[in-house]
Amino acid sequence: KQEVTQIPAALSVPEGENLVLNCSFTDSAIYNLQWFRQDPGKGLTSLLLIQSSQREQTSGRLNASLDKSSGRSTLYIAASQPGDSATYLCAVPNSGGSNYKLTFGKGTLLTVNP
Amino acid sequence: DGGITQSPKYLFRKEGQNVTLSCEQNLNHDAMYWYRQDPGQGLRLIYYSQIVNDFQKGDIAEGYSVSREKKESFPLTVTSAQKNPTAFYLCASSSGRSWDEQFFGPGTRLTVL
Repeated sequence: KQEVTQIPAALSVPEGENLVLNCSFTDSAIYNLQWFRQDPGKGLTSLLLIQSSQREQTSGRLNASLDKSSGRSTLYIAASQPGDSATYLCAVPNSGGSNYKLTFGKGTLLTVNP
Repeated sequence: DGGITQSPKYLFRKEGQNVTLSCEQNLNHDAMYWYRQDPGQGLRLIYYSQIVNDFQKGDIAEGYSVSREKKESFPLTVTSAQKNPTAFYLCASSSGRSWDEQFFGPGTRLTVL
């Protein structure tokens, strides 16, 4: 059974700092890994999708990496802003590679202080 | 605008009542999903549908039912058999291909009175 762990559970940083969020998973037989953002009381916004054949994916100030062999992914946020404050979730397909069933981590609550 | 809509945003249920949560998408996606989110826990899959007129149970299907009569719509009924229904419910969709993203709606918060 796929398990996903996100560390740290919460992170507070001053504005402008670069930061890294971590995601680890137990079964490396995955098609892809997806990073999401969730604001309080809202749905999930897809940030980045990394295919298993890729090592990195970038969107603006966000950069996500994937190391399947070690079961790890990182989300790097450059020059953080107060508007980046949210919960960040990673998700991978369940064992067997089907994208129909995702397993989510519990998320990292990020607070960026002005 | 393409996207996923969920209604209502807030829903209150009395003990013993069934309630239905709406989910509609105009992304022309084949696959749709229902998740439940509780504080301190990750999202858990309730039901999913890969194609019209077909759906499968997820990890926590007991006390819930769904239908998929139209490609655009995937309503979720929370029955009286669900013992602890208070939660945030999220609907999602994807093309159904294994390499594609899932996109989420804004959610419905259900509270049992």
